[in-house]
Amino acid sequence: DAKTTQPTSMDCAEGRAANLPCNHSTISGNEYVYWYRQIHSQGPQYIIHGLKNNETNEMASLIITEDRKSSTLILPHATLRDTAVYYCIVILTHGQNFVFGPGTRLSVLP
Amino acid sequence: DADVTQTPRNRITKTGKRIMLECSQTKGHDRMYWYRQDPGLGLRLIYYSFDVKDINKGEISDGYSVSRQAQAKFSLSLESAIPNQTALYFCATSDLQFGGTDTQYFGPGTRLTVL
Repeated sequence: DAKTTQPTSMDCAEGRAANLPCNHSTISGNEYVYWYRQIHSQGPQYIIHGLKNNETNEMASLIITEDRKSSTLILPHATLRDTAVYYCIVILTHGQNFVFGPGTRLSVLP
Repeated sequence: DADVTQTPRNRITKTGKRIMLECSQTKGHDRMYWYRQDPGLGLRLIYYSFDVKDINKGEISDGYSVSRQAQAKFSLSLESAIPNQTALYFCATSDLQFGGTDTQYFGPGTRLTVL
């Protein structure tokens, strides 16, 4: 079973920040939070991951709460091409049990 | 990701036929995975391999088998295809990195239809 809970769908206006929440209240101390997205039926695309600290890369920012029970993926300036299903995944470092739940379907609207 | 390729990209077959899906990677990763995705659902792990001599069952291995021919190649076989194996199939690779993270990179997928 997935260890995360995400909203089924969200809308965001083009050019605005998209904030995608994820709850992972049972996360353990050595589990990472990963985010992937899947555009239409393409292969999932890695976005970002983190353990405790907030992280930022060229695609997005990841904000993890101090108690690590939830996180937020931020796409700072959403474009139409960011329309996709976004998956939040919690895994141990060895990663063999990536569990992809249904994710959040983000629609970026013009 | 062009570093992970899957063949064929689309396949239509009949019930009872043997099917092989192939995955190749140029990323030099030791770990490879096979997932399936059904419409509207997330991905489910079928098999994974941490090196050439290592094969492990995932969540839904029944009806499937795999072969790790080389570090770069990982094949998925359906010995006798059935209609409920109609799905999107994804191959992924990863490499355990310093610090313990294990980011997976996915291929473009194979759409399999079993009639």
